[in-house]
Amino acid sequence: NAGVTQTPKFHILKIGQSMTLQCTQDMNHNYMYWYRQDPGMGLKLIYYSVGAGITDKGEVPNGYNVSRSTTEDFPLRLELAAPSQTSVYFCASRAGELFFGEGSRLTVL
Amino acid sequence: GENVEQHPSTLSVQEGDSAVIKCTYSDSASNYFPWYKQELGKRPQLIIDIRSNVGEKKDQRIAVTLNKTAKHFSLHITETQPEDSAVYFCAASPNTGNQFYFGTGTSLTVIP
Repeated sequence: NAGVTQTPKFHILKIGQSMTLQCTQDMNHNYMYWYRQDPGMGLKLIYYSVGAGITDKGEVPNGYNVSRSTTEDFPLRLELAAPSQTSVYFCASRAGELFFGEGSRLTVL
Repeated sequence: GENVEQHPSTLSVQEGDSAVIKCTYSDSASNYFPWYKQELGKRPQLIIDIRSNVGEKKDQRIAVTLNKTAKHFSLHITETQPEDSAVYFCAASPNTGNQFYFGTGTSLTVIP
């Protein structure tokens, strides 16, 4: 099993651009999550999904969108990128414990 | 929603000493408390967890204690080694929801 795979690992965006962070898991987990990690702030939940076709907002959803068309994939869309979205983004899936991807470091300039 | 507070934010110990990291939570419905270790530039990984029907759990040099009445739980690392240097996160998960709420992290440095 590859576990949770995120792409890209690094990306630089200009203010106002849009992009999608990809997340795929091969463990057949129903629960998937997107977190952002800022220095000294821990992990904040952006969106989560309890199964294909079902998504819900977390603590900090503004400026983001998600979809869950399959069990495996849970992409995170950033619309009109802002400098405040500069962060490290982690996708995770759950079967009891959380399994994290390697993270995507995004810089908005 | 749940609020998890974690202390201290940084901790330095001499190799061989013990390290203790403490977390408090606010939602009495929380019943699952994992601890994650994140090495520099890496993903968080589960090191130990505890459920609300247990007061203490040990795994070699690592232990977690839970006080449900006071709503706090702690991570204890004994005989620390340089490879224990990392950021540690506590989390709480209520049984009424699907979310994990994380503390702000503790940066542990073990000095050889």
